Amino acid sequence: GQQVMQIPQYQHVQEGEDFTTYCNSSTTLSNIQWYKQRPGGHPVFLIQLVKSGEVKKQKRLTFQFGEAKKNSSLHITATQTTDVGTYFCAAGGNAGNMLTFGGGTRLMVKP
Amino acid sequence: DTAVSQTPKYLVTQMGNDKSIKCEQNLGHDTMYWYKQDSKKFLKIMFSYNNKELIINETVPNRFSPKSPDKAHLNLHINSLELGDSAVYFCASSQGVRVERYFGAGTRLSVL
Repeated sequence: GQQVMQIPQYQHVQEGEDFTTYCNSSTTLSNIQWYKQRPGGHPVFLIQLVKSGEVKKQKRLTFQFGEAKKNSSLHITATQTTDVGTYFCAAGGNAGNMLTFGGGTRLMVKP
Repeated sequence: DTAVSQTPKYLVTQMGNDKSIKCEQNLGHDTMYWYKQDSKKFLKIMFSYNNKELIINETVPNRFSPKSPDKAHLNLHINSLELGDSAVYFCASSQGVRVERYFGAGTRLSVL
């Protein structure tokens, strides 16, 4: 089945530093979604990318979809303590309706 | 109003018992899901269901069975609970399959 690798697994940053998580697939994806899960909470949808090379921004968050539609990244500029949580990518394949989640990147921000 | 609600929030039970987790969505979505999140935070799809089709992740033991009385509800029944079933179970829904999932708050299952 489709596999989605997400790195790093953990990231500690000082408040104000930037943060990036990467998502890689061995197969071409139809779309990719990003979710944030706060500690003790549930995954909350952030964004969906569909087009090759697409870049979308949400305030301090920048999402990119690779040209080959096999990888994606989420970059947070100037992290804040409210950014703490686990960020998941979720990849949609070209067949079927199963969305495959990456292993997540747990972000910890030191004030 | 909560969009996707699941009960109970916590479930503590003994090995070998049978238990159910209920899920309801009031978003009018046509597809519902069950996910399992283990202690390492890996989110694994267990089932995907709409009124036409049930898709089962082949790695899910047949002790787990989804039951849908109507399109707004997808309950999860688990027979003969095992220690390894301890996890957080999330229900989710979506309108169509290539769009975002809306997750419930989760049910933390502990099997003793």
